[in-house]
This record gives sequence, structure tokens and C-alpha cells, in this order.
Amino acid sequence: EVQLVESGGGLIQPGGSLRLSCAASGFSVSSIYMSWVRQAPGKGLEWVSIIYTGGSTDYAGSVKGRFTISRDNSKNTVFLQMNTLRVDDTAVYYCARGLGALDTWGQGTLVAVSS
Amino acid sequence: IQMTQSPSTLSASVGDRVNITCRASENISMWVAWYQQKPGRAPKLLIYRASTLETGVPSRFSGSGSGAEFTLTISGLQPDDFSTYYCQQYNSYSFGQGTKVDIK
Repeated sequence: EVQLVESGGGLIQPGGSLRLSCAASGFSVSSIYMSWVRQAPGKGLEWVSIIYTGGSTDYAGSVKGRFTISRDNSKNTVFLQMNTLRVDDTAVYYCARGLGALDTWGQGTLVAVSS
Repeated sequence: IQMTQSPSTLSASVGDRVNITCRASENISMWVAWYQQKPGRAPKLLIYRASTLETGVPSRFSGSGSGAEFTLTISGLQPDDFSTYYCQQYNSYSFGQGTKVDIK
């Protein structure tokens, strides 16, 4: 069964750093594009970042230069390193897989940025 | 690429046919997906490549359009369909603002 499980969320002060993990099972994270999507409380979906099968990456303008997506093929896990966190980064962060459309999503992990 | 989704809220009854529209700020061919999201849950893929139904999704859901205008249609609304729906273009991955379908 294809499954994604996120972890690493929590409460963090503005300016802090956090690393999210997305553990995959049932497929290889190196064989398909992997994305992070976030949803602020009561708001819509916002695409955050993607890592392509070749290893190249892309980011939304709101996080470029602060967030870094990566993967560890040996652990079949994708990461999102989030630095210089701001209050408006508060959201549920989902990882998802797909070569365009996102066909499998994790349950999400909550990141709360507050002093 | 911006995706403008309308309406933001839609009130309907069981059995109704409903249409949700997304307009792209430029031509995106057929690179559009539609998702359903229930409160507290992750989104679920319904349709990809504008009109292809994801495996296991009921046939009352359909998608149409190409270029810059796209429509999600639910033919015969069921109680389980009262949710929020999002379009997404996957040229550069942005989402529409969402449409909440609630009970009239």
C-alpha cells in the first residue's frame, strides 16, 4: 500500500528552524516527484516545494531562500528544512506525491510559529 | 500562473448538478487537477489532466476544459459530496482559492 507519513511539526518561535520528514512506503521517493503543500488555519491550499526525480527542486516565492527540500533515498524519506520561520508560515504541512497531479497525500503535520 | 476559482461558496441540495469553474491566467493546456477536501483531512485527487477520473472516484464527478478555462461538474450531488473543492494547475503547481459546497 502506498503511504506517506509526515512528522517533525510543532511550536516554534519566529526566526527559528524546523525540519519536517515525510516517510514513504509502497514506492520509491526517487521514482516520482514529491511535493510539500501547506494549509494555514481556515485557509486554502498553498503549494510550497517540489523535488523532481532527477533531484532538481523548485519553491514558491513565499519560501524561496528560507526552505530547502531534499530526500534520502536509502531511508525513502523526503525532508523540508524550514529556516527563518515567520508567523505566516503557521500551517498544516502535507507531503504528497505525483508527476503533476498529487495522487497520494500524507495526514499532515502542524507547524505553529508564535512567540 | 494564477488560478481563479468560482464560486467561493455554493449552496445546493442532494440530487443537484453543480459546476465549479477555474480560470488560469495563461494557457495551461490540460494540466489541471481537481481535489476534494473534508474538514481535518488531507485533500483527495478526483480528476487529473482536466478530464481523467482518478481510479475509484464515482462517475458523477467529471471535468472539462482546456487552455485557460476548466470546470468540475458533480451530476447528482450526494450527501458525502458536501466538501471543499480545489483546482490546481501543474505547470507551476498553484491552487485555486477553493469552493465550499454546503447544504441549501
